[in-house]
Order: sequence, then structure tokens, then C-alpha cells
Amino acid sequence: EVQPVESGGGLVKPGGSLRLSCTVSGLTFSDAWMVWVRHLPGRGLEWVGRIKSKGSGGTIDYAAPVKGRFTISRDDSKGTLYLQMNSLKTEDTAVYYCVHDRSGYYFLHYWGQGTLVTVSS
Amino acid sequence: QSALTQPASVSGSPGQSITISCAGTSSDVGGYNYVSWFQHHPGKAPKLMIYDVSNRPSGVSNRFSGSKFGNTASLTISGLQAEDEADYYCTSFASSNTLLFGGGTKLTV
Repeated sequence: EVQPVESGGGLVKPGGSLRLSCTVSGLTFSDAWMVWVRHLPGRGLEWVGRIKSKGSGGTIDYAAPVKGRFTISRDDSKGTLYLQMNSLKTEDTAVYYCVHDRSGYYFLHYWGQGTLVTVSS
Repeated sequence: QSALTQPASVSGSPGQSITISCAGTSSDVGGYNYVSWFQHHPGKAPKLMIYDVSNRPSGVSNRFSGSKFGNTASLTISGLQAEDEADYYCTSFASSNTLLFGGGTKLTV
């Protein structure tokens, strides 16, 4: 079974940076399209962005609230997905999930357990 | 793009049926058959219950069903059970290859 595992969450001050990682077992990572979703406390789930496989062009799409501040990347040789978060705001406080997109149309079947990011002074 | 619109809460008694709506536009729900529904218990990862409007992943109870009419999708849960109590979110593929989430619906059984 496909199993994403996130890491790298923690406490960071407003304006700071943090990099999340996600390793995925149970699939050929280089062929995988991967998605970041976050759960904002009291506000629900929110799509952060998606990266296609390099074979599909490697295109990266971002949600408006994070565009220009967050960067999604991948290292296929390590089977790892990254989320570089810069200029963090208190409203970025959330549990961040790494998810496998099975179809290219956001068939989000396999989720990680999530990693908590807290932005606070 | 705006989030999809769901009722904030619904409730039902054990054994009853409930329906949760998810309203979008012709650029998302109405334009594509890529609506999904997720069940989310606090502190756990969301669980996919319905994909592509009306398909159930393996292992999901047939008490859960999905449909769509125009720009509105719906999730129906029949034979409500206590363990169904959770937050439910709809999603839709949208133009520009983005994903929209609904605001979430708290189901009380």
C-alpha cells in the first residue's frame, strides 16, 4: 500500500522559513503526482499545491494564498517531496498533509499522517 | 476561486439518512466529473469516501453514495451509525488544474 510520511514540522516565528519533507513508499515515486493539503484550525482543509511527475512535464501549481511564498519540489532519486515555506504568517499555522494524486484529477486516496506547523511569536 | 459551499452542520439519528450538498460553479463542480468526498475525524488523516462524483474506493461502505446535478454535488449517508460522526469535505477539480475544497460539514449522529 502507498504510504506517505511527512516530517519537518515545528514552531517558527512569523516571517521565518521551514521545509517539510515527505517520503513515499509503495509506488514508483518518479511517476507520482503529489499534492500538499493543509488543515487550518477552525477553518477546514485547503489545497496548497501539486507537482506533476517529470515525465508529465513536472508542472507545479499553487493555491493563491501561498503563491510566491511556498515552493514545491521533488528529488526522485531520494523518493522525497518537499515544501519550502518562506515568509510564514500566523495564518499558515496548520497540519500539512502529503497526498498521492492517483489520476491527475485529484484522486487523493493515500494520505500521510500530517505534520504540524505552528507560526507564532 | 472561491471555496465550494457546504452547510456548516447536519444531524441525524442512528439508522436515518442524511444528505450533504456541495455547491460550485460551471468552472468546477458543473464542468467536471471529478468531485470527491472526504471524511475527517479530528487528529486523523482525511479518508476518501467518494471519487469521480459517485465511485467508492475499495473498503468504503455502500451506505455512502455520491451524485451530482448541475453545479451541485451531494453525499448521502444511509443507515447512519455513530462512527459516521465526523467532518465531511467535498472537493472538485477546477479550471487551471487547481483543486477546490468545500468549507466542511460537521455531521452529528
